[in-house]
Amino acid sequence: KQEVTQIPAALSVPEGENLVLNCSFTDSAIYNLQWFRQDPGKGLTSLLLIQSSQREQTSGRLNASLDKSSGRSTLYIAASQPGDSATYLCAVFQGAQKLVFGQGTRLTINP
Amino acid sequence: NAGVTQTPKFQVLKTGQSMTLQCAQDMNHNSMYWYRQDPGMGLRLIYYSASEGTTDKGEVPNGYNVSRLNKREFSLRLESAAPSQTSVYFCASSETGSIGYTFGSGTRLTVV
Repeated sequence: KQEVTQIPAALSVPEGENLVLNCSFTDSAIYNLQWFRQDPGKGLTSLLLIQSSQREQTSGRLNASLDKSSGRSTLYIAASQPGDSATYLCAVFQGAQKLVFGQGTRLTINP
Repeated sequence: NAGVTQTPKFQVLKTGQSMTLQCAQDMNHNSMYWYRQDPGMGLRLIYYSASEGTTDKGEVPNGYNVSRLNKREFSLRLESAAPSQTSVYFCASSETGSIGYTFGSGTRLTVV
């Protein structure tokens, strides 16, 4: 059974810092991996999707990497801002369609 | 705006009552999903539908039924609600392969 772990569970940093969120998964036979953002009381917003053949994806200040052989993905946030405060969820595609989620990292950016 | 629409946004039920959560997507996606999100448990898959006319159980299907009414709509029914079904329910859709998931804004359900 695929298990997805996100470390740390919570992170608080001052504004302007660069930071890395970690995601690990137990079964390297994944299809794709997707990072989401969730604001309190809201739904999930897709940030980045990395296909299994890719090593990384970038969108603005966000960069996600994927290393299937080691079962790891990282989400790098550059020059953090208070608006980046949210819970970040990593999810792996088990087969072509079903997502298995980690429990998230709650990020707080302090002004 | 294109996306996934869920109704209702909030609901309180008494134990034993029934209700249906509605979900519709306008992106012409083939696959649709229902997840529940609970503190400390993350998001868990209840049911999914790979295409119109098909449904399959996910990780936590007990106490739920689903209907894929057409390509756009995928409903989740609680026949006899229990307090353990208090949760936030999310519907999502995807196209097989590279596009990834799009989520609705969720339904907060409380069973008392």
